[in-house]
Amino acid sequence: DAGITQSPRHKVTETGTPVTLRCHQTENHRYMYWYRQDPGHGLRLIHYSYGVKDTDKGEVSDGYSVSRSKTEDFLLTLESATSSQTSVYFCAISESSPTYNSPLHFGNGTRLTVT
Amino acid sequence: GENVGLHLPTLSVQEGDNSIINCAYSNSASDYFIWYKQESGKGPQFIIDIRSNMDKRQGQRVTVLLNKTVKHLSLQIAATQPGDSAVYFCADPVSNYKLTFGKGTLLTVNP
Repeated sequence: DAGITQSPRHKVTETGTPVTLRCHQTENHRYMYWYRQDPGHGLRLIHYSYGVKDTDKGEVSDGYSVSRSKTEDFLLTLESATSSQTSVYFCAISESSPTYNSPLHFGNGTRLTVT
Repeated sequence: GENVGLHLPTLSVQEGDNSIINCAYSNSASDYFIWYKQESGKGPQFIIDIRSNMDKRQGQRVTVLLNKTVKHLSLQIAATQPGDSAVYFCADPVSNYKLTFGKGTLLTVNP
């Protein structure tokens, strides 16, 4: 698991409530990512971070925000959860940019259900 | 749209046989490719990668072949075992920080 811990592993929440997912790494990697995985869509990038306090949007960022106040932690927040955000969320890390031949390593995911 | 995709969504093989999983990519400028394995209930696991200046790279029981002319790569698994049953993805960077994944091929190994 490349020293990546996601918490919680499972979460059930109601529509309209805020939810925060946490990713913690022990590899001291600079880059961190949040992906969601849904049947028929594969893995899609939500947000990513290229350093402390440096974040940017991915392809499906609407309804999500992130924060990275420390190298080791990357938080994903759903400000007001909707049923369309029911998914499995994966955190990933990489030592360098993937364009510099640096693969991503993934955690084991958080299964989120919004009722 | 996606930069990478897979020819076959499912592949079933007998234990001990060799498996070949294919992937087509659309971006001719792609210069780095990664294969991942994802078992049920787990996150994608890095298997092997290859740079565009290579045609072939070997790992433990796995070989990745890259054909830049037809924008195709394949993952070969030798002597497939039941523990190899999983979904396999190829991926490539589409920008400085973003990796695009194909939807995956489900490999089933029959004992």
